[in-house]
Amino acid sequence: GAGVSQSPSNKVTEKGKDVELRCDPISGHTALYWYRQSLGQGLEFLIYFQGNSAPDKSGLPSDRFSAERTGGSVSTLTIQRTQQEDSAVYLCASSREALETQYFGPGTRLLVL
Amino acid sequence: QQPVQSPQAVILREGEDAVINCSSSKALYSVHWYRQKHGEAPVFLMILLKGGEQKGHDKISASFNEKKQQSSLYLTASQLSYSGTYFCGTEKGGSNYKLTFGKGTLLTVNP
Repeated sequence: GAGVSQSPSNKVTEKGKDVELRCDPISGHTALYWYRQSLGQGLEFLIYFQGNSAPDKSGLPSDRFSAERTGGSVSTLTIQRTQQEDSAVYLCASSREALETQYFGPGTRLLVL
Repeated sequence: QQPVQSPQAVILREGEDAVINCSSSKALYSVHWYRQKHGEAPVFLMILLKGGEQKGHDKISASFNEKKQQSSLYLTASQLSYSGTYFCGTEKGGSNYKLTFGKGTLLTVNP
């Protein structure tokens, strides 16, 4: 595609529900990244995929968070039993290879009530 | 392990220069610089790898001193479009890839 796309753009959910966030990277980009940005805060790195594998998952905030990438393309970030502190903008980025220019998607704004 | 950015905020008049610093207490493999405007996604500026390199494009450049574990971002002859929050992200290297970001530097360029 022309750029990184994310869906949904906004998500309001109730505490305790599960949510799934989707990221479509730029075609041909092997590296994919998930970040989180809380209101007025900086970027928090969550996870990085090279192809379908994620070498280090220690950036995920808790075991309620999981991410997968299939076919070296689309990635999903799943948050189980959402908590209010999960409210944030979740950003996805992709790059042709690791350590190259990262292109960000518009983000998914998650609000947990 | 979070890198420290300084200053936290800076206000410039159009045409003035600014330097933003990013320091880490850990040995670094790479430093990444991003700019984010309010309500928008971050825009990647550049990556610097260890080796003391300096990069630049247009009037924005950066250096990386691996001995000091410090990177500096230089903005010369600032333009209104430079306004935003600048973040540095640091990475230690190795087989795993994990960026740790500073809290950001808010740059405001006024006419």
